[in-house]
Amino acid sequence: SAVISQKPSRDICQRGTSLTIQCQVDSQVTMMFWYRQQPGQSLTLIATANQGSEATYESGFVIDKFPISRPNLTFSTLTVSNLSPEDSSIYLCSGTGTGQSQETQYFGPGTRLLVL
Amino acid sequence: DAKTTQPPSMDCAEGRAANLPCNHSTISGNEYVYWYRQIHSQGPQYIIHGLKNNETNEMASLIITEDRKSSTLILPHATLRDTAVYYCIVRAKGGSNYKLTFGKGTLLTVNP
Repeated sequence: SAVISQKPSRDICQRGTSLTIQCQVDSQVTMMFWYRQQPGQSLTLIATANQGSEATYESGFVIDKFPISRPNLTFSTLTVSNLSPEDSSIYLCSGTGTGQSQETQYFGPGTRLLVL
Repeated sequence: DAKTTQPPSMDCAEGRAANLPCNHSTISGNEYVYWYRQIHSQGPQYIIHGLKNNETNEMASLIITEDRKSSTLILPHATLRDTAVYYCIVRAKGGSNYKLTFGKGTLLTVNP
């Protein structure tokens, strides 16, 4: 199984600023995803991070607010821009394995963001 | 992907088997049943998945009914550390889209 790490693990930011979250996988993964988990809620998919091309966003999420990069098979970043208190959430990245493990998705520990 | 229905919460005594049900009556033939859990303040953890046969691994067993319209996740000897939200997710096999759609899940509380 893939081991996924995220940095930072938590942050407190002022409104109007931006936060960039890094996601590192210990082995190559086929696909990488970014999710948001608002307080007391389940996970919602933000986008699929595509290597070397623009991310594929889900309905309700736009590139200007959530720019994503994936320069290689093991690394991705999510930026949450122009922060407001409503952006206070846990942000999680995930990746699927390769070969037979493509059917399984593994998650990072999450980044807790509080916007004041 | 097919919709799933789970009870919002369940209790289980430590050391006993925990049986978590999931209904997925609209599941189609090419859709897997996945189970994940999320312990408080952690990322979701993969538990098990299956297509139509029962599956077992070191964490749990997955029992899928013959008509595939429901399934049960079994934790054979629940411990306090199994207290978590358990998500049952149905997703199409293969293809180019591996994304998961999370519902509200079942909060399992294991009591001493």
